[in-house]
Amino acid sequence: KAGVTQTPRYLIKTRGQQVTLSCSPISGHRSVSWYQQTPGQGLQFLFEYFSETQRNKGNFPGRFSGRQFSNSRSEMNVSTLELGDSALYLCASSPMGSNNGNQYFGPGTRLLVL
Amino acid sequence: TQLLEQSPQFLSIQEGENLTVYCNSSSVFSSLQWYRQEPGEGPVLLVTVVTGGEVKKLKRLTFQFGDARKDSSLHITAAQPGDTGLYLCAGNMNRDDKIIFGKGTRLHILP
Repeated sequence: KAGVTQTPRYLIKTRGQQVTLSCSPISGHRSVSWYQQTPGQGLQFLFEYFSETQRNKGNFPGRFSGRQFSNSRSEMNVSTLELGDSALYLCASSPMGSNNGNQYFGPGTRLLVL
Repeated sequence: TQLLEQSPQFLSIQEGENLTVYCNSSSVFSSLQWYRQEPGEGPVLLVTVVTGGEVKKLKRLTFQFGDARKDSSLHITAAQPGDTGLYLCAGNMNRDDKIIFGKGTRLHILP
C-alpha cells in the first residue's frame, strides 16, 4: 500500500498571502488529521476530518481551515500568513479515527513565511 | 501548560549503552503512543499502550505504561546509531479527545 503523501514538500510564501496544502491518505483510511510542528511548541493538533466532516479541532485561529473530499483526500488552508506560521505541517491518516487506531504520518510540508 | 512532559529533552550516548526516556503527566490517559521521527520525515508509530502497568517489547525497545496511566517510559538496550531520532509520546485523555503530543526527546547515539 502506498503511504500518506503530502504536496508540496516545500513552500515559501510572504506575509499576508494564503496557502493550500494537500494530503492523500492511505487507501481505505477515512480519517485525516493535521498537525503543526515547530521547534518551540512541538507537534500541535490542528483538526481532524472523518468522512468529510470535521470531527475535532485544536486551538488555532480561524485563519487555519481544512476540508476533506469524498475520496478522503484532505486540504488545509492558511489565510493571511504570519511569520509565526512557518512550520512543518504534517498530516496523518487512520482507518477509523486518530483515537481508534494507529495514525500514519506523511513526510510533511515545510512552510517558510518571509 | 504542557500536558505531556518528556525528559530528557536531549540525550547523547555511546553505542552499546542503555537508556530510558520518560513521558509524564498529571492527567490520566486512556492510551499512550510512542513515535520516532527522523529528519525530513513524519513520525512513525512504534507502539500503543492502553492498560495500566502494561509492558510491550519491540526488539531492543521496552515500553511501559504506568499503573495509574499517567506516565510511560521507553527503555532502549544496547543503543545503536540507527536509534538516533526524535522520540515523541502522544495520547488522549478521553476516547473522543484530540491526540496530544509531548515535545519529544532528541536522542543521538554516537558510533
